[in-house]
Amino acid sequence: RKEVEQDPGPFNVPEGATVAFNCTYSNSASQSFFWYRQDCRKEPKLLMSVYSSGNEDGRFTAQLNRASQYISLLIRDSKLSDSATYLCVVNKSGFQKLVFGTGTRLLVSP
Amino acid sequence: DAGVIQSPRHEVTEMGQEVTLRCKPISGHNSLFWYRQTMMRGLELLIYFNNNVPIDDSGMPEDRFSAKMPNASFSTLKIQPSEPRDSAVYFCASSLSGRNQETQYFGPGTRLLVL
Repeated sequence: RKEVEQDPGPFNVPEGATVAFNCTYSNSASQSFFWYRQDCRKEPKLLMSVYSSGNEDGRFTAQLNRASQYISLLIRDSKLSDSATYLCVVNKSGFQKLVFGTGTRLLVSP
Repeated sequence: DAGVIQSPRHEVTEMGQEVTLRCKPISGHNSLFWYRQTMMRGLELLIYFNNNVPIDDSGMPEDRFSAKMPNASFSTLKIQPSEPRDSAVYFCASSLSGRNQETQYFGPGTRLLVL
């Protein structure tokens, strides 16, 4: 079983739609959680951290469920510029080693 | 401010040749990471350094791969001899240990093709 699992997609949605991505992780000792965004042929960039109480950054909302070892990302009012691959990231035993999921691809169409 | 700098951006080589990838981390960052990304396996951590010292190299595929960090502003990843299965995008990332120590900043990557 992979340490971090994501639905690869692609998710095809129209502009203005709300879309949600899910991610599960296997290591119950994981302490930190993130969503990174990767545009086609570009490097990954931090989108947002995920906190236990849930957190929001504009149109983006992240949730963490430690009991179920589940992380989610909700994007409201999708824009064409949101088209990218979203990587679920979990730290692994130790404060600096990150494990990346293989990503969920989002395509937002006009 | 300059981000993480990697060179070359693209490399095409023949099987058996030596390949050297270079990375300059963000000034002031004290942790450096080398990743490999392929369609099949996604983004995999190869090795990371803290204060120029290799901390975890368990992701290095085999002895053909080696990495060095002679000083705080430079690191290399070497593949010798290269094989077609090494074809991938290699990313370097850096971070600053501290409050947001897990925030890693990635370079643009080196696209390696081994024929």
